[in-house]
Amino acid sequence: DQQVKQNSPSLSVQEGRISILNCDYTNSMFDYFLWYKKYPAEGPTFLISISSIKDKNEDGRFTVFLNKSAKHLSLHIVPSQPGDSAVYFCAASAIHETSGSRLTFGEGTQLTVNP
Amino acid sequence: DTGVSQDPRHKITKRGQNVTFRCDPISEHNRLYWYRQTLGQGPEFLTYFQNEAQLEKSRLLSDRFSAERPKGSFSTLEIQRTEQGDSAMYLCASSLGLPKNIQYFGAGTRLSVL
Repeated sequence: DQQVKQNSPSLSVQEGRISILNCDYTNSMFDYFLWYKKYPAEGPTFLISISSIKDKNEDGRFTVFLNKSAKHLSLHIVPSQPGDSAVYFCAASAIHETSGSRLTFGEGTQLTVNP
Repeated sequence: DTGVSQDPRHKITKRGQNVTFRCDPISEHNRLYWYRQTLGQGPEFLTYFQNEAQLEKSRLLSDRFSAERPKGSFSTLEIQRTEQGDSAMYLCASSLGLPKNIQYFGAGTRLSVL
């Protein structure tokens, strides 16, 4: 039962263009969503998050959009840079559960930004 | 600024041996999590501590696995009688808890069971 899905295993974009990474979830209890970036041989690094009470959150070149009715979120990176090449994970949690807010991750999308 | 530290980074062991991994969280973080990641997958939750109390365990955590967090500081994850299926990256994360519970990850311990 994959509650968080990233349907694109890989994405390739040109430097300077927009990268759009997508994520779908099924559990309606999820109310907080995060994106992590992972380089080889390193742990996931937190990028940006969004609460379910919002539909958009921006931080510099990164913007996350949330469509609750569609249970879909996306990460936009603009402009894309070669250093953005990494695996991007979408994660979700149910903040207000008493369970400690474990993260449920998608499978990841490998982003390659070509110079 | 000290992040989450994990030791060792790599561990190679023979099937049937016991292994222990250590995680040092960010010092002011009271929550500590263990996850496991296999090739091509995202991290999967194993267990969670609030201070020294282990409050949740995943079904993935068989009885060969045990985790501790004495005094609410560092944590250890022990795997007894390792099997080849235990080969994975073991990730530790820590957080301050609510309201956002953003989890910060260490670099992980890569376990190879031969």
